[in-house]
Amino acid sequence: GNSVTQMEGPVTLSEEAFLTINCTYTATGYPSLFWYVQYPGEGLQLLLKATKADDKGSNKGFEATYRKETTSFHLEKGSVQVSDSAVYFCALSDQRLTGGGNKLTFGTGTQLKVEL
Amino acid sequence: GAVVSQHPSRVICKSGTSVKIECRSLDFQATTMFWYRQFPKQSLMLMATSNEGSKATYEQGVEKDKFLINHASLTLSTLTVTSAHPEDSSFYICSARDLGTGVWTEAFFGQGTRLTVV
Repeated sequence: GNSVTQMEGPVTLSEEAFLTINCTYTATGYPSLFWYVQYPGEGLQLLLKATKADDKGSNKGFEATYRKETTSFHLEKGSVQVSDSAVYFCALSDQRLTGGGNKLTFGTGTQLKVEL
Repeated sequence: GAVVSQHPSRVICKSGTSVKIECRSLDFQATTMFWYRQFPKQSLMLMATSNEGSKATYEQGVEKDKFLINHASLTLSTLTVTSAHPEDSSFYICSARDLGTGVWTEAFFGQGTRLTVV
């Protein structure tokens, strides 16, 4: 079956530091890959996505590249801010249409804490 | 983006009682809604998928008689935890798929409901 593995947290960084959160996946076929962010007390929000190999998703200074050869989708940001403190989830979606929707398989989430 | 509203955000109930959680799509029609459960420091686990007007499809190991899902309209799905026990205490999150976005789509998530059974 499908699975997503991401680095354990919490990750604590100083403001303006470089961020990498690793994510690797196991899937059959050609999944779509996502990063979701969950701010304290809120639901998950889509941060970025990529639908095929070598695609780069980007948003709000974050980016991730779909690497099929290494089955990875690492999240990066060049300079983090305190407001980026949240839990980040890597996820994949089976491309097959099943009963009207695609299931998302999530990683365990990585908590990021950014300090001044 | 589209908004999914989940209510209540927190609920405490006594063991043996039932609790209903609502998930509403506010500005789009959601033919499909997903219900997840999140344990502390763990990932979201899909419990069931519901399509408007039909029975929900439950994931393996999820008791359909305990977690009743109703998706009676294109904007509302409910999850009822029946005869709740302390082990049902968890964070429940719904998500909804936009009707008009094709084979694969962004899923919009509710804020989640923290259920505590005492």
